Amino acid sequence: GAGVSQSPSNKVTEKGKDVELRCDPISGHTALYWYRQSLGQGLEFLIYFQGNSAPDKSGLPSDRFSAERTGGSVSTLTIQRTQQEDSAVYLCASSPDPAGMYTQYFGPGTRLTVL
Amino acid sequence: DAKTTQPPSMDCAEGRAANLPCNHSTISGNEYVYWYRQIHSQGPQYIIHGLKNNETNEMASLIITEDRKSSTLILPHATLRDTAVYYCIVRVFGNQFYFGTGTSLTVIP
Repeated sequence: GAGVSQSPSNKVTEKGKDVELRCDPISGHTALYWYRQSLGQGLEFLIYFQGNSAPDKSGLPSDRFSAERTGGSVSTLTIQRTQQEDSAVYLCASSPDPAGMYTQYFGPGTRLTVL
Repeated sequence: DAKTTQPPSMDCAEGRAANLPCNHSTISGNEYVYWYRQIHSQGPQYIIHGLKNNETNEMASLIITEDRKSSTLILPHATLRDTAVYYCIVRVFGNQFYFGTGTSLTVIP
């Protein structure tokens, strides 16, 4: 079946512009996670959606970052007034159960480059 | 969630067992140990997880010490395709996953 998909695969933007990154989780998965990975670094947790509960936004690095998940499915990560330090690969993952007991399934990521 | 400590890099000969250690000395009783790996330019891939008993699946075995302060991921017959960064994570169900910098495993022909 279809896995987690993300779009665009690559995004180049100018400093100060806003960007939107999209994640389509696996159908029926109730948990959705966003991470970012800077070059040569591990994954940094950003935000976690679990069913209809309020999202865990504790990993968002600044108020320029926001995310929403519409209808419990597709999620959009928005970065406003992008900065060069925002350049990274942004990864989305979904999980079939609310507690995330089981494995997360990761998408291929969106590579964001801020010039 | 408890932090984990892993060696930054390891080598393993092709066909031999790869044993990747992880220390999680501050793990609490309700935290599970997860292992993921990330092959270059791909998203992370789940390998295995466990609480206190040793676990085995088609990919690997997970050995957790009796005091649960450390664990070892075993790839029984490493292949070149197992070259990746391996992440050890401890986590309470329902919480987010905190990935560290992992161990970069290189399988040598």
